Amino acid sequence: DIQMTQSPPSLSASLGDKVTITCQASQNINKYIAWYQQKPGKAPRLLIRYTSTLESGTPSRFSGSGSGRDYSFSISNVESEDIASYYCLQYVNLPRTFGGGTKLELK
Amino acid sequence: QIQLVQSGPELKKPGESVKISCKASGYTFTDYAMHWVKQAPGKGLKWMGWINTYTGKPTYADDFKGRFVFSLEASASTANLQISNLKNEDTATYFCARSGTTRYFDYWGQGVMVTVSS
Repeated sequence: DIQMTQSPPSLSASLGDKVTITCQASQNINKYIAWYQQKPGKAPRLLIRYTSTLESGTPSRFSGSGSGRDYSFSISNVESEDIASYYCLQYVNLPRTFGGGTKLELK
Repeated sequence: QIQLVQSGPELKKPGESVKISCKASGYTFTDYAMHWVKQAPGKGLKWMGWINTYTGKPTYADDFKGRFVFSLEASASTANLQISNLKNEDTATYFCARSGTTRYFDYWGQGVMVTVSS
């Protein structure tokens, strides 16, 4: 199974900050990584697929990059509506595996 | 519009069974796989497995073999998850999520909270 190590587990930011979350896979996942946002009591929402492709409706302040085993997800100019938890997902093969999540809070 | 609508919250005792549903609309049900994801309270997301909505064949993650059953009511565009012999550690929110040939999960149900308590 592919392990996805996501860091940091939590992040404190001020409005307008840029924040970055990383996911390291235990093996090459060939850019097959997606990023999800989850707000309390809600289902995850797909933001980015295939490393860097923004899903329709995802604001341009969100971005993703990476290759091989190492991937990152960034939010530039954090807004109050971005306060949520974020998860990476590898979908190169089964079983699908998620990162442990990052909780973004306001400083 | 595409929607996955899940059944309501459940309160069960240890040893009982529960069946939760996920009704799809806005697309051809059999064109997309359906996955199940568990989220324990305050914890992360864990993939449980998936069901091929065309053939009905389920595939279970290792931790979900034995007491968990994925099934379909294809005529009703509905996927079901049944958990038998419930344990306290089954207390969680269970999500359905669809994937196409692209393989990532693009639409999710709203989640079903299952509480197991004596």
